[in-house]
Amino acid sequence: ETGVTQTPRHLVMGMTNKKSLKCEQHLGHNAMYWYKQSAKKPLELMFVYNFKEQTENNSVPSRFSPECPNSSHLFLHLHTLQPEDSALYLCASSQDRSNQPQHFGDGTRLSIL
Amino acid sequence: RKEVEQDPGPFNVPEGATVAFNCTYSNSASQSFFWYRQDCRKEPKLLMSVYSSGNEDGRFTAQLNRASQYISLLIRDSKLSDSATYLCVVSPGANNLFFGTGTRLTVIP
Repeated sequence: ETGVTQTPRHLVMGMTNKKSLKCEQHLGHNAMYWYKQSAKKPLELMFVYNFKEQTENNSVPSRFSPECPNSSHLFLHLHTLQPEDSALYLCASSQDRSNQPQHFGDGTRLSIL
Repeated sequence: RKEVEQDPGPFNVPEGATVAFNCTYSNSASQSFFWYRQDCRKEPKLLMSVYSSGNEDGRFTAQLNRASQYISLLIRDSKLSDSATYLCVVSPGANNLFFGTGTRLTVIP
């Protein structure tokens, strides 16, 4: 049973749609992350939030917009995505210290038509 | 140069075999090291942290060589349930993790 919950598990959307991915962690952690996992590529860190403040944005296109209303919830708002954005999007959380491992959610498998 | 490099495999080994994976990293200032396991179409899960002195957890042994900037994972007495992709993960700090592409292991009956 994961302490990090992501919804939806699967999402199919057109390039003109707007949708949001949701992540919730029940571990009392202070840092949350969005990753993208594409086939045959390493996980790519997209965004980092520490105590609700964004501390990292790894040159992610503006069609991805994160939101962190509190340290337990993280959203990824999507609009006008491209086919190459189809991937598994993983949310993770950790304590605020850098040497703490991260706990991942099940991911949202996103397909852009 | 990639932050973290791993042999993608696949490694196909019989049950009971011993198998070792290596991983190299490019940032000599890296502070934390982990092995994660990812099953097909599932999320990565922490297998073990890697400490400077090396550490063991049951059939799994992790080693760190800072001078050569590599990390290893040894699995003894392989089980069918060990079949998965093993991800080498390196952190330079500041909540940042760099993942390798993973090494795929299949344990054959």
